[in-house]
Amino acid sequence: SQQGEEDPQALSIQEGENATMNCSYKTSINNLQWYRQNSGRGLVHLILIRSNEREKHSGRLRVTLDTSKKSSSLLITASRAADTASYFCATDANDYKLSFGAGTTVTVRA
Amino acid sequence: DVKVTQSSRYLVKRTGEKVFLECVQDMDHENMFWYRQDPGLGLRLIYFSYDVKMKEKGDIPEGYSVSREKKERFSLILESASTNQTSMYLCASSSREGQPLHFGNGTRLTVT
Repeated sequence: SQQGEEDPQALSIQEGENATMNCSYKTSINNLQWYRQNSGRGLVHLILIRSNEREKHSGRLRVTLDTSKKSSSLLITASRAADTASYFCATDANDYKLSFGAGTTVTVRA
Repeated sequence: DVKVTQSSRYLVKRTGEKVFLECVQDMDHENMFWYRQDPGLGLRLIYFSYDVKMKEKGDIPEGYSVSREKKERFSLILESASTNQTSMYLCASSSREGQPLHFGNGTRLTVT
């Protein structure tokens, strides 16, 4: 079953701007992960945030997690053309299975 | 770096054929997964395996089976391919439960 749902479905921004996308989920989780997928390729892991963490940074990425609202956000700062991709959140409910959302497609215009 | 290799990038098969999708990982990972990806539906888990010869059904196992005879190899089998199995198939592995997945580049399967 699809646990995470990303919002918006698609996002178009100018190079240099920030991109924010959100993920909502339904049940308790052990951790939440964000992945990137370039067109026609497999997914690449970006960042993992545990249920007892509220914020995590990795380079130009910032992830927040609010377990009371069952939601997470991914912020990409100072976007570049190479950030054009689909972004997925995935939830780990401690049962081996990662459940993915349908993704947010981000287009960065030069 | 972990490498997950899927044997084919593109595959075209006829309805009713038996289809084998192969996946190999080179990092001695315990867990391996097969997902299918369709537009608007995200990734849906077909089967996973947490040990050699062990397999567990995911969310959409109907019409599929798997085989894991060796730790590094996880095969997805379509017993009798149908047009609704036209999709992108993604294999992934992880070192243990809860850890990030490492994905292959996918196999785009078309069933005609």
